[in-house]
Amino acid sequence: AQSVTQLGSHVSVSEGALVLLRCNYSSSVPPYLFWYVQYPNQGLQLLLKYTTGATLVKGINGFEAEFKKSETSFHLTKPSAHMSDAAEYFCAVSRLYNTDKLIFGTGTRLQVFP
Amino acid sequence: EPEVTQTPSHQVTQMGQEVILRCVPISNHLYFYWYRQILGQKVEFLVSFYNNEISEKSEIFDDQFSVERPDGSNFTLKIRSTKLEDSAMYFCASSGRERSDGELFFGEGSRLTVL
Repeated sequence: AQSVTQLGSHVSVSEGALVLLRCNYSSSVPPYLFWYVQYPNQGLQLLLKYTTGATLVKGINGFEAEFKKSETSFHLTKPSAHMSDAAEYFCAVSRLYNTDKLIFGTGTRLQVFP
Repeated sequence: EPEVTQTPSHQVTQMGQEVILRCVPISNHLYFYWYRQILGQKVEFLVSFYNNEISEKSEIFDDQFSVERPDGSNFTLKIRSTKLEDSAMYFCASSGRERSDGELFFGEGSRLTVL
């Protein structure tokens, strides 16, 4: 069975500070890993994904995540937070060849203070 | 930019009533999904739909739930007799490729409140 754990339901940072949102996964088969973002009153939007190949993946809006198999982690980072980054962030995992059935984490709400 | 649209954005209903949530997927997409999120909990997969039939469903998707694509544009989720525990945000999603690599396009969600 697959699962995702997001540490911290709320994260607060100052504008310009590093953003680090944590995600750990459990999977008995090679995982595909994703970060989705949900801005207020909008749907879920794909931020970035890891399928195969390079373990450091870059996404939209300056975000990136690194797949670390040894740590079963896929943490999301951004060097400098912007006010517009305030949103809910969801980590998700799926199985090879069954990528439509995403298993989501509980989400992390990011607040950015001026 | 093409987007998935959902209606209603919020519906309040009495327990035992039927509810239909509607979705208009992106026009050239072929794969359709419903997910839901109970307040404070994870976003959960409910069902996937392709070629006018259910391709996969979760254990949550019992006989009270049904989906259909009645007219080639809308994709609906029906709950026949709502229960209190059906209160949740329901997300519709669509994908255009057979191996979507997880790039599902989600709507804004429909919040269902069952009283």
